[in-house]
Amino acid sequence: DVQMTQSPSNLAASPGESVSINCKASKSISKYLAWYQQKPGKANKLLIYSGSTLQSGTPSRFSGSGSGTDFTLTIRNLEPEDFGLYYCQQHSEYPPTFGSGTKLEIK
Amino acid sequence: EVQLVESGGGLVQPGRSMQLSCAASGFIFSNYGMAWVRQAPTRGLEWVATISYDGSNTYHRDSVKGRLTVSRDNAKSTLYLQMNSLRSEDTATYYCTSGGYYFDYWGQGVMVTVSS
Repeated sequence: DVQMTQSPSNLAASPGESVSINCKASKSISKYLAWYQQKPGKANKLLIYSGSTLQSGTPSRFSGSGSGTDFTLTIRNLEPEDFGLYYCQQHSEYPPTFGSGTKLEIK
Repeated sequence: EVQLVESGGGLVQPGRSMQLSCAASGFIFSNYGMAWVRQAPTRGLEWVATISYDGSNTYHRDSVKGRLTVSRDNAKSTLYLQMNSLRSEDTATYYCTSGGYYFDYWGQGVMVTVSS
């Protein structure tokens, strides 16, 4: 199975700032990485797939980059609703595997 | 609006069975692969099983093979997860999701607790 290593585990930032979350695959997954947001009481939300393609409805302040084994989710100009948990997931091969998550908190 | 609504969770003893259901609406269910993803308390997300749009192909993670089985009824727009021989390590919130490789819509999840 492809192991996904996500960092940092925790991140604190203020509204208006920019943050980056990293995800590293144990082998090349080409561009096939997705990012999800998880918030209490809400359904998990797909933000980005295939590394950099924004899912319909994802605000443009979110962007994804990377290929091969190293990927980054960047959120510019943080809004209050952006705070929560973020997970990466490789969708290159079965079984699909997730990173361990990054908790983005308000500073 | 896409809606995925899970049901059937609760407390179950080790070794017993339980079936989860997921009622889908707002999209053409029979056109999409579907999956179950779970999350143990305070843990991350873990893929469990996927079924193709027509039910002809299924995939399960190794740790659940032979015990948990995904199925679907396209006439009822419903996804199922039959869970047999349940173990404590199956305790988790189970999410119904659409998609085969990445998961574009999610339900709110249903909690399954395996304990004596």
